[in-house]
Amino acid sequence: EDQVTQSPEALRLQEGESSSLNCSYTVSGLRGLFWYRQDPGKGPEFLFTLYSAGEEKEKERLKATLTKKESFLHITAPKPEDSATYLCAVHGKGNQFYFGTGTSLTVIP
Amino acid sequence: GAVVSQHPSWVICKSGTSVKIECRSLDFQATTMFWYRQFPKQSLMLMATSNEGSKATYEQGVEKDKFLINHASLTLSTLTVTSAHPEDSSFYICSADRGLGETQYFGPGTRLLVL
Repeated sequence: EDQVTQSPEALRLQEGESSSLNCSYTVSGLRGLFWYRQDPGKGPEFLFTLYSAGEEKEKERLKATLTKKESFLHITAPKPEDSATYLCAVHGKGNQFYFGTGTSLTVIP
Repeated sequence: GAVVSQHPSWVICKSGTSVKIECRSLDFQATTMFWYRQFPKQSLMLMATSNEGSKATYEQGVEKDKFLINHASLTLSTLTVTSAHPEDSSFYICSADRGLGETQYFGPGTRLLVL
């Protein structure tokens, strides 16, 4: 069964405490893996697309990596403004998009 | 680039009325548009996929007659919630695909409250 699983469900970090969010997938025919940030009451904001194992993308304090089974979103020295829900989605064959349930990140000053 | 808008951003209506939500791609033509529903603290649930000029493809369990989708042009799709009931209250989000094998671009969402 094609599915995307994110962990942990929730994460609380002290400001400056680096960590990683996980997105594991069992989707066949991977066409792309996407990371989004979603703030309360708003639509998801696109962060990264990864297409093949070994690929990495960076943006400010965020770095996304991809293997054949999972992706990690590394957050280095997070700030309170990084608090949000981070969603992972996988684009599989047949033009299907599969979303994870998200990781709610809280960064405490 | 790749901006998607939704209108209205929030709506309150009485039970039994119909509500129309618009989704527009502002600076690109969208080959495909998607409609999602999101409950509090849950992920996105795909409701339907629509291509310009053709009938929408609904996900299993989504009532076609309840949630009418019209994709009239390459920049506009509408979702009409017919005879809305309190259980239809939710956050509705649309997204658009440029057809370049990249990501979907999401709108800001529409919060619907049915009294």
